[in-house]
Amino acid sequence: AQKITQTQPGMFVQEKEAVTLDCTYDTSDPSYGLFWYKQPSSGEMIFLIYQGSYDQQNATEGRYSLNFQKARKSANLVISASQLGDSAMYFCAMRELWMDSSYKLIFGSGTRLLVRP
Amino acid sequence: DGGITQSPKYLFRKEGQNVTLSCEQNLNHDAMYWYRQDPGQGLRLIYYSQIVNDFQKGDIAEGYSVSREKKESFPLTVTSAQKNPTAFYLCASSPYGETSTGQDFYEQYFGPGTRLTVT
Repeated sequence: AQKITQTQPGMFVQEKEAVTLDCTYDTSDPSYGLFWYKQPSSGEMIFLIYQGSYDQQNATEGRYSLNFQKARKSANLVISASQLGDSAMYFCAMRELWMDSSYKLIFGSGTRLLVRP
Repeated sequence: DGGITQSPKYLFRKEGQNVTLSCEQNLNHDAMYWYRQDPGQGLRLIYYSQIVNDFQKGDIAEGYSVSREKKESFPLTVTSAQKNPTAFYLCASSPYGETSTGQDFYEQYFGPGTRLTVT
């Protein structure tokens, strides 16, 4: 079963506008973490933001914020004031307990964001 | 500067040859990971190592092997048994950490990747 779902294969946004990238997840573990990574055309994965399942407030990092709706199992990424350099693939990932004592990341299929000038 | 290095950036091999991808980190992280990414898809875990001399298979370990003789190094060998080796390979490492709520953090830091083409 799909554990991380990103339903938007591609999105466009006008420069300086805000954009929301969707992510839903599925887990029965009460303690989990959600991550967003950016992957530019160079290929490197860049960590953007993290939300723990027990965190009371939505995570924010500069222009990035995470709209965490626990009951709906969604963790959407909001990018405010889009810049041309934001054009990239964006991956949502969930930390999952693995091998009883370790963790691994489960990645979604990604959303390609293109920022128009 | 601390970080993760992967070499080479591009690698070409003939079918039937084994090839080893390098991954080195100077972040003093205990855990290291290898992922595979195919075009238009997310990352899939190949192998994981939590400490030196110990590693576990991930979701797609068949046709791959690893070693962890030093904390800093986690090389991945793509063997001739891997049926579709052409892909983008990413190495990552993570420290142990906790958030203010006491949850495990485990952010993963990624290297620049190696693009392997087998013909």
